[in-house]
Amino acid sequence: EDKVVQSPLSLVVHEGDTVTLNCSYEVTNFRSLLWYKQEKKAPTFLFMLTSSGIEKKSGRLSSILDKKELFSILNITATQTGDSAIYLCAVQGGSEKLVFGKGTKLTVNP
Amino acid sequence: GAVVSQHPSWVICKSGTSVKIECRSLDFQATTMFWYRQFPKQSLMLMATSNEGSKATYEQGVEKDKFLINHASLTLSTLTVTSAHPEDSSFYICSAGAWTSRETQYFGPGTRLLVL
Repeated sequence: EDKVVQSPLSLVVHEGDTVTLNCSYEVTNFRSLLWYKQEKKAPTFLFMLTSSGIEKKSGRLSSILDKKELFSILNITATQTGDSAIYLCAVQGGSEKLVFGKGTKLTVNP
Repeated sequence: GAVVSQHPSWVICKSGTSVKIECRSLDFQATTMFWYRQFPKQSLMLMATSNEGSKATYEQGVEKDKFLINHASLTLSTLTVTSAHPEDSSFYICSAGAWTSRETQYFGPGTRLLVL
């Protein structure tokens, strides 16, 4: 059965800190790994990773995938209070279905 | 970019009634739509996969007679919660798959259901 495990489940930091969120997975016929940010409503897309070792970057956020060790990290540098959210990792296997982890709740205090 | 809408965004109903939630892909055709449920402080759980013109595929533990899914066109899927009970109160989110999309799936804004 496909599985996604995120850590930590919860994280509290101060503005300006750098955080690293972890996602490990087990999936049959890996197709892609996706990161989403969820605030009060539905998740919004951040990154899709399909190849090992290639960093994806968007502003202060970056992510990388290791297909050999079956994990991905999401980095956020110089955190801001607006980064407070639940960050979800999902993997897509042989079908189009996404399997989500439980998420990491990030709280950034001023 | 691709947009997925859901209607209604909020619904309150009495126990025993049925509620229909619509999911529309506004500017692309979605051969596949997914329905998720999210309980407070939990992750999204896939309920079913809806393919246009065919029967939905339900995940283990999801009652297909209770959660009726219809995907009659390439832009519309509906989820009907039949004989809703308080334990069905949840956040229901749909997503639409577009193979040409680099994001793979676009999420609707979600529907908050409260069953009294």
